[in-house]
Amino acid sequence: DGGITQSPKYLFRKEGQNVTLSCEQNLNHDAMYWYRQDPGQGLRLIYYSQIVNDFQKGDIAEGYSVSREKKESFPLTVTSAQKNPTAFYLCASRGGWGHKIDRSTNEKLFFGSGTQLSVL
Amino acid sequence: AQKVTQAQTEISVVEKEDVTLDCVYETRDTTYYLFWYKQPPSGELVFLIRRNSFDEQNEISGRYSWNFQKSTSSFNFTITASQVVDSAVYFCALSGPMNRDDKIIFGKGTRLHILP
Repeated sequence: DGGITQSPKYLFRKEGQNVTLSCEQNLNHDAMYWYRQDPGQGLRLIYYSQIVNDFQKGDIAEGYSVSREKKESFPLTVTSAQKNPTAFYLCASRGGWGHKIDRSTNEKLFFGSGTQLSVL
Repeated sequence: AQKVTQAQTEISVVEKEDVTLDCVYETRDTTYYLFWYKQPPSGELVFLIRRNSFDEQNEISGRYSWNFQKSTSSFNFTITASQVVDSAVYFCALSGPMNRDDKIIFGKGTRLHILP
């Protein structure tokens, strides 16, 4: 079955430590996104990538880094510079503007099941 | 700049009542897309509907209906005869045209409680 896989489901970070959240998709989607969800804040965009080897900052990129070396993968690193990392992180993908096979679903975001990150 | 406002933070209704979730958006684009997503307690967001800016027809899907009004920049969502399983957080979202910036902006969500 096609979909988006996020791992791990729960992650704990120690002070001063970098941690990486995994996001893999087998939907052949061009665009991938990372969102952070805090209670009462909704979803806020961290980084997004429209194509391999390219990505853009979202609204709250400070303290985070990403890479897009493969179409299927868009890992997010929460660095020690992120002073308040405790949150629920959601990865998403969609066809993107180059994905013209099925226009009816091109604009639709597909989400992973999320990673809950907590600080020890 | 794009913006999505869901003014209702939390709503509680008794089962079988109808409930409407409000969504107001701001954009300068003439072509844009609006979405509704449901987030049950499991956490994963579930797609409900997509609407493009050129299609103002209202849509009905079972107990769900959506009212898109460009004149008021609103895309409201109504659940008819609500059920306990409808309890979730609901997000409205906005995207620009697909041939340019692919950012998708979400509202802060409305937490819906359906009481038995």
